[in-house]
Amino acid sequence: SAVISQKPSRDICQRGTSLTIQCQVDSQVTMMFWYRQQPGQSLTLIATANQGSEATYESGFVIDKFPISRPNLTFSTLTVSNMSPEDSSIYLCSVRPGQGAYEQYFGPGTRLTVT
Amino acid sequence: EDQVTQSPEALRLQEGESSSLNCSYTVSGLRGLFWYRQDPGKGPEFLFTLYSAGEEKEKERLKATLTKKESFLHITAPKPEDSATYLCAVQAVITGNQFYFGTGTSLTVIP
Repeated sequence: SAVISQKPSRDICQRGTSLTIQCQVDSQVTMMFWYRQQPGQSLTLIATANQGSEATYESGFVIDKFPISRPNLTFSTLTVSNMSPEDSSIYLCSVRPGQGAYEQYFGPGTRLTVT
Repeated sequence: EDQVTQSPEALRLQEGESSSLNCSYTVSGLRGLFWYRQDPGKGPEFLFTLYSAGEEKEKERLKATLTKKESFLHITAPKPEDSATYLCAVQAVITGNQFYFGTGTSLTVIP
């Protein structure tokens, strides 16, 4: 398994502002993902962060709202732009490190509150 | 549409009282079914992957099984430290990396 860290662990932000969340992995991984976990709900995939190319977004998520960077095989960022209270969630990054194995390993999450 | 349903939503057990959590799924072409444990304020912790009907995996007091329509997470003689939310996720062959998560079962084990 991989060791994953996220920064910040939590933040309180004002509506209309943006927050960038960092995800660092202790080993090189091909696949990195970003999820959202809204209060009382389960995890929803936002996008796959592709190294060296644009992220692949799931239905309902767009690049202008959630720009993602993946400069190398151990690091990615997710920005939540022009925030509203509806963006209050836990944001998690995950990785799929292995060839031939499909499980994902998750970071500790970033708890975002938008006021 | 691919769906994952977990039951019960919440479960309270006395320490030592064995039980099972259910994960029912509908997916076109299952690639894998995954069980996770999530403690409050933390990210999900990977427990098991099951790939085909009839497969079983065990880890300490936990045993996961898989049929063509559902998976069970059996907890034998649970301890208070087993208290957590248990999440089930499925991945379909045709939908790439997308994991479909259930809403979880919140387990409380009372000493």
